[in-house]
Amino acid sequence: GQNIDQPTEMTATEGAIVQINCTYQTSGFNGLFWYQQHAGEAPTFLSYNVLDGLEEKGRFSSFLSRSKGYSYLLLKELQMKDSASYLCAPYTGGFKTIFGAGTRLFVKA
Amino acid sequence: DGGITQSPKYLFRKEGQNVTLSCEQNLNHDAMYWYRQDPGQGLRLIYYSQIVNDFQKGDIAEGYSVSREKKESFPLTVTSAQKNPTAFYLCASSRTGQGNYGYTFGSGTRLTVV
Repeated sequence: GQNIDQPTEMTATEGAIVQINCTYQTSGFNGLFWYQQHAGEAPTFLSYNVLDGLEEKGRFSSFLSRSKGYSYLLLKELQMKDSASYLCAPYTGGFKTIFGAGTRLFVKA
Repeated sequence: DGGITQSPKYLFRKEGQNVTLSCEQNLNHDAMYWYRQDPGQGLRLIYYSQIVNDFQKGDIAEGYSVSREKKESFPLTVTSAQKNPTAFYLCASSRTGQGNYGYTFGSGTRLTVV
């Protein structure tokens, strides 16, 4: 079966660092996407990990451990505009991407 | 600028009516998708199309229909057979197979049954 677990909500303070965890169990795995989605808007691409390890892109970094079925998204120097939902999405190949329910992040002043 | 356009942004439907949601892209992407998003749930795949005149059912295709007569266009019809159509509908496109390119999403259509 397919299962993706990520926390429903998180709260952090402006300027801080937050880590959003995701564990997954999928039949087949080619890589893992993270998307950001502001309320009522379209998801936007943040990162894609294929190999184990940490990939850094500005204030955002994403980590993958394929053997553990685990990924996290790390957001540094949080800004108010980072308040959004973050979707963990394993790509199982072909045209199949499985989306988690998302983690709603609230950034407070 | 290239992108993907969905219309309308908000749509109200009476029970028993069919409605069609528009999706157009000018990214020259081969693959297009329709997802449904409900509160507290992940995006669920309704239909996808790899190429013109071809489309495949996703996980929740019942009560929906699509067509792909042009590369740029992938409209979704929500039929009266769909028992719970109120949701946020997202259209997406990608280079074939997505790979590490990810999806480009439209801004969505919020459908409400009244």
